Amino acid sequence: EADIYQTPRYLVIGTGKKITLECSQTMGHDKMYWYQQDPGMELHLIHYSYGVNSTEKGDLSSESTVSRIRTEHFPLTLESARPSHTSQYLCASSDGGADTGELFFGEGSRLTVL
Amino acid sequence: GQNIDQPTEMTATEGAIVQINCTYQTSGFNGLFWYQQHAGEAPTFLSYNVLDGLEEKGRFSSFLSRSKGYSYLLLKELQMKDSASYLCAVLDSNYQLIWGAGTKLIIKP
Repeated sequence: EADIYQTPRYLVIGTGKKITLECSQTMGHDKMYWYQQDPGMELHLIHYSYGVNSTEKGDLSSESTVSRIRTEHFPLTLESARPSHTSQYLCASSDGGADTGELFFGEGSRLTVL
Repeated sequence: GQNIDQPTEMTATEGAIVQINCTYQTSGFNGLFWYQQHAGEAPTFLSYNVLDGLEEKGRFSSFLSRSKGYSYLLLKELQMKDSASYLCAVLDSNYQLIWGAGTKLIIKP
């Protein structure tokens, strides 16, 4: 069973608020990812990290930031939330081996921006 | 551009067999993955193919043809709990996962 946790699970906030979505994993995985997924749509990569102090931008990164100060922790911050940010946010990790596409996902954070 | 195609929705009967197809066009290929995602939940890993052929794992099997850019997921002895979306994803030349939009599988009694 995967040990990757996201908080909050559900969040409703107003436009313009700053929010941080937390993600922690206890598997010692070097690679961590943030995805955004709308119902019936593909996962879109927002940010990823290959280890401590490593962060890279994905397809939808322009309105958010991440940090990787500790191996187990990879928080995602939206500086100013907008209704277009309403979505499900999924955090994932992998051990970065040859089959590095085997990701372990957290249960997701469902964000609604009013 | 990079593209993963899979049917949007399929319906099958409990106890039957269903095949979910996936075709891909990506910049490079380092493996193909199938994930299962129940409604409102996170995806969970099902299978990984990097060489041509069939990989069998219990009731689920996955096939890959790299020359055709094609894979399928075969589900046997369907159960109601198999109702979910099935996501096809390809690891490209930069070791980034390219995801399909998923196939919603509906199982009827």
